[in-house]
Amino acid sequence: KAGVTQTPRYLIKTRGQQVTLSCSPISGHRSVSWYQQTPGQGLQFLFEYFSETQRNKGNFPGRFSGRQFSNSRSEMNVSTLELGDSALYLCASSLDIFYEQYFGPGTRLTVT
Amino acid sequence: AQTVTQSQPEMSVQEAETVTLSCTYDTSESDYYLFWYKQPPSRQMILVIRQEAYKQQNATENRFSVNFQKAAKSFSLKISDSQLGDAAMYFCAYRSRKETSGSRLTFGEGTQLTVNP
Repeated sequence: KAGVTQTPRYLIKTRGQQVTLSCSPISGHRSVSWYQQTPGQGLQFLFEYFSETQRNKGNFPGRFSGRQFSNSRSEMNVSTLELGDSALYLCASSLDIFYEQYFGPGTRLTVT
Repeated sequence: AQTVTQSQPEMSVQEAETVTLSCTYDTSESDYYLFWYKQPPSRQMILVIRQEAYKQQNATENRFSVNFQKAAKSFSLKISDSQLGDAAMYFCAYRSRKETSGSRLTFGEGTQLTVNP
């Protein structure tokens, strides 16, 4: 069974631009969660989607948004990028809320 | 809100020896999950072990075991017979069993484990 895939793996953007990251969950998984990992703030929860609905949201500004498609693939978007948005963005999928989460390899975003 | 604290930023162990990583957490809930995740240099987060709070028995997975002290809100990870491949960042994580919390994980700061040959 294929694991969680994230594209692109690396991304360089300029301040003020916007970016879209993609996550394809394991086949059959309906829940997708996103996390931001930085050296200063550690791992922080961004949001979770289940069956195309946002089920949970972390404490991030409105510039961070996401969505989930009918095939469970998820995208997250960051608008008006700031230098502090430079991070590793991790996606995790699970069958449902009380099941194990499996993480993807992450997307490394650098904002210059 | 729940918090997870790992007080050891770095630990080292000799190959084949045993090492214990510490984790404490704070919550007002009585039903939850605790996890240890491993993040090697590849950055792929891998689940090491899971503990359900309602289970008194400590979880074990091969060379990995936990010491879960619910009253003390402590959850340490013991790695026996350490191997070079165990070198990684280890994260302790908390997840509520409340349906409204979904799959949300709260992570500690991490402990960087070095295994010396």
